[in-house]
Amino acid sequence: QVQLQQSGPGLVQPSETLSLTCTFSGGAFNSHYYMWIRQPAGKALEWLGHIRYSGRVNFNPSLRSRINMSIDKSKQQISLELTSVTAADTALYYCASSGLLTGNQAWGQGTVVRVSS
Amino acid sequence: QPDLTQPPSASGTPGQRVTISCSGSASNIGNNAVNWYQQLPGAAPKVLILNDNQRPSGVPGRFSGSRSGTSASLAISGLQSEDEADYHCASWDDTLDGWLFGGGTKLTVL
Repeated sequence: QVQLQQSGPGLVQPSETLSLTCTFSGGAFNSHYYMWIRQPAGKALEWLGHIRYSGRVNFNPSLRSRINMSIDKSKQQISLELTSVTAADTALYYCASSGLLTGNQAWGQGTVVRVSS
Repeated sequence: QPDLTQPPSASGTPGQRVTISCSGSASNIGNNAVNWYQQLPGAAPKVLILNDNQRPSGVPGRFSGSRSGTSASLAISGLQSEDEADYHCASWDDTLDGWLFGGGTKLTVL
């Protein structure tokens, strides 16, 4: 059973960089693609972007100038970086995997990230 | 404003059948399948329905999905108290080249 374990700081200073990591286990790492999604308190889920095993990325246009994702195949990890954060980036952040053949998804436990000085 | 429109709330009594709608456009629901997620309080979303009407292993048969035109629906029959949760729809959007989510529907079991 696919599991995703998220890690990263819960507090980020304004104008700094938010960095989160997601570790995959329980399946074939190369048979999925990986997404980051966030949910501000009381608001809708928002797709931030996704990264394929090849390293190809697609980002939400609203974040394209500030976002990056990377994949570490040796550690079966994906990472998210969001630069120049503001209070508007305060949210619950999730990583998720989607099976290439089945479309079935697994989600990480979520990380609350607060942007504050 | 989410690009997929869901009613903010829905309710029903135990044993009832409830449906939750999700409205989109030609670039998303009109051309791509819909997933539905259940989010229990304090938990991560969990996939309930994949590809319009497929239930992942472990999801009870009480949950079903359908899609027609630019809209989709989630139906829950034999409503139970443990079904009280937020429900989200999602669809791939060809213009965004990414996933769009609905605003979520809070289901209350009376």
